[in-house]
Amino acid sequence: QSVLTQPPSASGTPGQRVTISCSGSSSNIGSNTVNWYQQLAGTAPKLLFYSVNQRPSGVPDRFSGSKSGTSASLAISGLQSEDEADYYCAAWDDSLNGWVFGGGTKLTVL
Amino acid sequence: QLQLQESGPGLVKPSETLSLTCSVSGGSIRSSGYYWGWIRQPPGKGLEWIGSLYYGGSTYYNPSLKSRVTISVDTSRNQFSLKLSSVTAADTAVYYCARRPSGVGFDYWGQGTLVTVSS
Repeated sequence: QSVLTQPPSASGTPGQRVTISCSGSSSNIGSNTVNWYQQLAGTAPKLLFYSVNQRPSGVPDRFSGSKSGTSASLAISGLQSEDEADYYCAAWDDSLNGWVFGGGTKLTVL
Repeated sequence: QLQLQESGPGLVKPSETLSLTCSVSGGSIRSSGYYWGWIRQPPGKGLEWIGSLYYGGSTYYNPSLKSRVTISVDTSRNQFSLKLSSVTAADTAVYYCARRPSGVGFDYWGQGTLVTVSS
């Protein structure tokens, strides 16, 4: 049981816009920034966003992040086949004094 | 270009201690403003943060693993290490080492190493 809650799966067709949610609490998302990671099959996770909506260099601007209260969202517009991956949200938890991850969302491009 | 590489036994017996090392190249582990951490992923499951250290400063451990985990640094070899004691089959996972700049997420990751706990 993960501290942050994500839907286990999401899907879309090429060109569509897809949103993945991440729900937490006042001790994590509610009071700290959110990071998002993309994990392609068989590879290490890759940092997609930090501080909610800051993209590391090389991450396409088709990806965007947002946060409201104790929830965060990752949006992917203009969906492409190479976006098929697992996506994880993460945040620092003040109560646990550690990093917590969501359970991950498997994105399928139909 | 910073690179991280995990190394260590791929098979550990139950009740023994899992020991892994992360070798850092292309940058110094003593650089200020960076945390160095371990994250694991059981087969087919999600990511779990194990712990992090800041060179010359604090270590932070996942409360659920804290009693069994030690993360340490060897600056002479530009490496940091993970020890997880009293392992069980539930500790079978791919173990990743990673760097996290202060205020940012884990931006550089090793390729990961699978550790299986089995007799």
